[in-house]
Amino acid sequence: SYELTQPPSVSVSPGQTARITCSGDALPEQYAYWYQQKSGQAPVLVKYKVTERPSGIPERFSASTSGTTATLTISGVQAEDEADYYCQSADSSGTYWVFGGGTKLTVL
Amino acid sequence: QVQLQESGPGPVKPSETLSLTCTVSGGPISRHYWSWIRQMPGKGLEWIGYIYYSGSTRYNPSLESRVTMSVDTSKKKFSLRLSAVTAADTAVYYCARMFEEYDSPGYFYSFDYWGPGTLVTVSS
Repeated sequence: SYELTQPPSVSVSPGQTARITCSGDALPEQYAYWYQQKSGQAPVLVKYKVTERPSGIPERFSASTSGTTATLTISGVQAEDEADYYCQSADSSGTYWVFGGGTKLTVL
Repeated sequence: QVQLQESGPGPVKPSETLSLTCTVSGGPISRHYWSWIRQMPGKGLEWIGYIYYSGSTRYNPSLESRVTMSVDTSKKKFSLRLSAVTAADTAVYYCARMFEEYDSPGYFYSFDYWGPGTLVTVSS
């Protein structure tokens, strides 16, 4: 079965840039979306593919893909950004959808 | 603003069938794909499957033999049934709307609206 791989944790100080990666063999063909999940809450989509960002998502959230690795970049991290982040994509044929294992972002 | 709300009968015993319903409000159920996603305690997210408003479905291969989804467009509800449950099926179950984007050469899908989730415990 298809898998997406994320680092378990990333730590940054306030005001720094956080980069969270997601690796998957099908990412050259399939787009990686990103979700923020705070404790006890449902995930929230933070980046569309064509449109920039869902309503209410700050400009400091951006995403990119190079080869088989997608990256979520959070510029000028704030304390409120502390959360779990998940990437999501599809297998190479677009038949089914998978999530990465999640990355816990800690703001020091 | 689209809102989704999961509902279900509560705890389920091993070997029985888990049944959940998602009610859609604030927007149409038509012309959208609707998914179920679950999250085991302290774990990551797992896509269970989707149902289109027309009734067509696609399920995660790992769960396909136990999953059935249905939709009632007149009531703006869609449902999940997961049979022969075990303790490993204990999870928070979310319903979500799939957002479709076109960018050559094809379509791409994300989950843009989610319900708050409902914890389903499988226990005897």
